Amino acid sequence: DSGVTQTPKHLITATGQRVTLRCSPRSGDLSVYWYQQSLDQGLQFLIQYYNGEERAKGNILERFSAQQFPDLHSELNLSSLELGDSALYFCASRGSGNEQFFGPGTRLTVL
Amino acid sequence: QKEVEQDPGPLSVPEGAIVSLNCTYSNSAFQYFMWYRQYSRKGPELLMYTYSSGNKEDGRFTAQVDKSSKYISLFIRDSQPSDSATYLCAPHSGNTPLVFGKGTRLSVIA
Repeated sequence: DSGVTQTPKHLITATGQRVTLRCSPRSGDLSVYWYQQSLDQGLQFLIQYYNGEERAKGNILERFSAQQFPDLHSELNLSSLELGDSALYFCASRGSGNEQFFGPGTRLTVL
Repeated sequence: QKEVEQDPGPLSVPEGAIVSLNCTYSNSAFQYFMWYRQYSRKGPELLMYTYSSGNKEDGRFTAQVDKSSKYISLFIRDSQPSDSATYLCAPHSGNTPLVFGKGTRLSVIA
């Protein structure tokens, strides 16, 4: 158990809908990273937050957004969903070192 | 050239074999090198973490980094069926997002 929690475990929704994925980092970790893993693309970095502020952006679509709240949990919002957004979404947290610890992921299926 | 390349496998070995998993990377700024193990549809689990060139051993696992040739290796001794998973290398340059290879799928046959 990495100490990082993610909810929900599974999401099934339709094209055009909007969903919110939630991540709670390890106790005391200020950094949260979001990654997307699809079969053909591997793990791709989406966005990073540090103590409530956006720090880095990867290949995140404009339809996607995220935020980190004062209690350090983070939410990833995916809107106008398309079939190609079906993937595993992971968050990872980082403390004072360089190691990133991953949560169990949310499996999103868009029908 | 992709930033991080791994042979996707699958790699199939008998139980007890020594396994060698490899990555190459192109960004010379990478200083930290991580190996993650991922069981099917689960979150990646940090296995090994090394800084700069050299070797690091942890039980049956040895990580090796050669920065001059931009080559990373993970060796697994006395492989077990429970080692069957996808192994992802992830070099990075500190407080930055991880850049993952696509992973090598390993199957250890009892």
